[in-house]
Formats: sequence, structure tokens, C-alpha cells
Amino acid sequence: AQSVTQLGSHVSVSEGALVLLRCNYSSSVPPYLFWYVQYPNQGLQLLLKYTSAATLVKGINGFEAEFKKSETSFHLTKPSAHMSDAAEYFCAVSDRMDSSYKLIFGSGTRLLVRP
Amino acid sequence: IAGITQAPTSQILAAGRRMTLRCTQDMRHNAMYWYRQDLGLGLRLIHYSNTAGTTGKGEVPDGYSVSRANTDDFPLTLASAVPSQTSVYFCASSGQRGSPLHFGNGTRLTVT
Repeated sequence: AQSVTQLGSHVSVSEGALVLLRCNYSSSVPPYLFWYVQYPNQGLQLLLKYTSAATLVKGINGFEAEFKKSETSFHLTKPSAHMSDAAEYFCAVSDRMDSSYKLIFGSGTRLLVRP
Repeated sequence: IAGITQAPTSQILAAGRRMTLRCTQDMRHNAMYWYRQDLGLGLRLIHYSNTAGTTGKGEVPDGYSVSRANTDDFPLTLASAVPSQTSVYFCASSGQRGSPLHFGNGTRLTVT
């Protein structure tokens, strides 16, 4: 069965610092991978996705993620944090071999940005 | 504006009562999903539907039922609510394999 692990339920960075949110997956074949962001009292918004093209994926708001098959990782990064990046971030995986299109989500990482 | 509409936005429900959460999409997506979101647990899949007329169980289906009579609607029913079903419920849809899910704004349910 597929699973997703997000290391660190909370990550705190200073404004302007590098953001690194970690995601590791477990899957028998390279899956589809996604990062979503959730702002307070809102639904989930897609940041970026990996399907099968370039391993470095660029998303919205300056975020990017790199698919590393050897490490089964899909970490999310942003060179310089803004106060507006404070939110909860979810990594999700979808099995290419599954007859449904469902996503399995990690437990989330809350990003705090200090002034 | 195309998207997913969930109703109600929030609800307080007495334990033992029956409740149906509504979800409608206008994107003609084949697949629809119900997730619950709980602090520290992320989003967990309750039920899903690949296409109208079919449904499947997710990670946490007990105490919930769904139906998919047509493409647009995917209601979630709690037959007899219990306090552990207090959560935020999100409906989502997807057009094809590998596509991202589109989410509604959620229903905050409190069972007392």
C-alpha cells in the first residue's frame, strides 16, 4: 500500500530564509506526486505536481520540488520565505496502477514564518 | 465560476442524528472523493467514486455511506453520528488519472 511521510509537523523559518519541507513516499512504482497548500479556514490549493516529465517541478508562488527516485523523496523548497507563505502544506501520492484516481495525503507540515 | 460546492458550511449535530453533507461539481469530472481532516492526521479518504453509479471505500469508511446517482452530485451520509466524527469534511473531484484534485471549501461538523 502506498503511504506518504512528512517529516516535521511544524517548520519555523525567518522571513527571507530557505524553506524546505520534506516528503517521502512508499510505492512500488514511481507515483504521481503533489504538493497542496491550505491557508487558515480554506480548502486545499494545488502548489505543484509531478507526473512523469522533468524531475524538478516548478509551482506557484516561487515553490519547487524535486523528484528523487533513489531517495523516494519529493521535498518542497522555496529560496526565500515570505510572511504570506505561512500555511499548512500537504504532500500527496497517487498510484499509477490504481484503478481509481485517489490521492493519499501526508499528515501535513505547518510552516511558520518569523519576521 | 466552475468548481465544487459543499453544503452546509458548518453544522452542530447531536449524537445519534442522521446527517447528509452535500457536494456538487460543475466540471463534469468522473471521479469524486470525500476526505476528513483532523489535526495531526492530515486528510484521510472516506469514500470515493470513479464514475457515476460506482463507489468505493477509502481508509476510514466506517459510519459513512455515499451514493453517486449522477456525475455532478456525491452526498456523504452519517447514519447515526458519533462524537468521533467531529471533523472538517472536504469533497474533491478529478478529471483523469494523474490530475490534481479540486477541493471544495469544506464542511465543519461538530457532533455533541
